[in-house]
Amino acid sequence: AQTVTQSQPEMSVQEAETVTLSCTYDTSESDYYLFWYKQPPSRQMILVIRQEAYKQQNATENRFSVNFQKAAKSFSLKISDSQLGDAAMYFCAYRTDMYSGGGADGLTFGKGTHLIIQP
Amino acid sequence: DAGVTQSPTHLIKTRGQQVTLRCSPKSGHDTVSWYQQALGQGPQFIFQYYEEEERQRGNFPDRFSGHQFPNYSSELNVNALLLGDSALYLCASSLDFSGNTIYFGEGSWLTVV
Repeated sequence: AQTVTQSQPEMSVQEAETVTLSCTYDTSESDYYLFWYKQPPSRQMILVIRQEAYKQQNATENRFSVNFQKAAKSFSLKISDSQLGDAAMYFCAYRTDMYSGGGADGLTFGKGTHLIIQP
Repeated sequence: DAGVTQSPTHLIKTRGQQVTLRCSPKSGHDTVSWYQQALGQGPQFIFQYYEEEERQRGNFPDRFSGHQFPNYSSELNVNALLLGDSALYLCASSLDFSGNTIYFGEGSWLTVV
């Protein structure tokens, strides 16, 4: 079974600074997807960024980028120019590539990192 | 374009009772998944429905069951409620097996007393 580990229960950053959230995962599969989700106090999970394991290029979405190290099974999220609205719980998640004959289709989540933005 | 909608938003049940939670997927989505998120934890996959059938299931007992209707909406049923079932229940929808973009609803808060 796949596991996702987020070793930072809480992170704090000054507004406009850069912060990196860590995520490692364990899998025996070669094809899969990795995600970062943001969960604000409203509790709705919002997709921040997605990475396909077969792509070597790191995904970017505006101020959000990832550092995907497949061999190390590491998938960190970098938030540049942090804004007050970025404050939330951030979850790293893993999903099997169904078209590769993977098993369960559900997302496997880490325990989350609480990101605090200091004004 | 309505996103994923869930009802009810909050509810309180007594141990041993049964509960039904409802979910309408995002327009155009045909696959619905359910997750349980306990306080301070990440969501855990319960099961997924596609074409009105349960496709995959996580590590949850048979007390958790579901249904998908022809319009792709879905219900999650939990029987014989335990205190440990208190959690936020999230519904997620996606388009067919690809599921690469998965949208979540705001969840249903269940408190078992």
